[in-house]
Amino acid sequence: QVQVVESGGGLVKPGGSLRLSCEASGFTFSDYYMTWIRQAPGKGLEWVSYISSSGVTKYYADSVKARFTISRDNAKNSVYLEMNTLRAEDTAIYYCARGGWLQINDYWGQGTLVSVSS
Amino acid sequence: EIVLTQSPATLSLSPGDRATLSCRASQTVSSYLAWFQQRPGQAPRLLIYDTSNRATGIPARFSASGSGTDFTLTISSLEPEDFAVYYCQHRSDRLTFGGGTKVEIK
Repeated sequence: QVQVVESGGGLVKPGGSLRLSCEASGFTFSDYYMTWIRQAPGKGLEWVSYISSSGVTKYYADSVKARFTISRDNAKNSVYLEMNTLRAEDTAIYYCARGGWLQINDYWGQGTLVSVSS
Repeated sequence: EIVLTQSPATLSLSPGDRATLSCRASQTVSSYLAWFQQRPGQAPRLLIYDTSNRATGIPARFSASGSGTDFTLTISSLEPEDFAVYYCQHRSDRLTFGGGTKVEIK
């Protein structure tokens, strides 16, 4: 069965960095786009970034552009989100989901919590 | 930039009622419109993709339609587990979510 599991969240100070990981199983990972979506406490869903199946194409929301970097390792069935210069407003649950653009976001992980606070 | 506006923000209904949720785009969008359900403390779950297609395992009481700028999700008869928050999403080179509609028990 398809599974997506995020890890790497935690408490970090403003201006700090964090790397999130998402490991997938149950499908041919290299065939799919992968997406990061976040949800601030008590708020709605916000798209963060997605990466194409090959890793060549990457798109970012304006709110994270130049601070966050998405990457993937198809040999490890994993996608990553490198987050730099973190701000309080980046505090959220970060979800990893299969799909993006031409592929539906049909399977989501349970999320990993990132808290940015001094 | 596409903006998705969902209405109403909150819908107060009773089990067995019909729920109609709206998602309006700021400009004409493609049919890559999806609906997600999120229960408290859980990850979002795909209900509908590409405007009107039910995802695997989604009950027939969920249906959706629309085109252009106006899209609708209908729940024909609310079950207790349907009281949740619903989000619409459009996919293009950017992904956009609506602000959500909370369906609460009246």
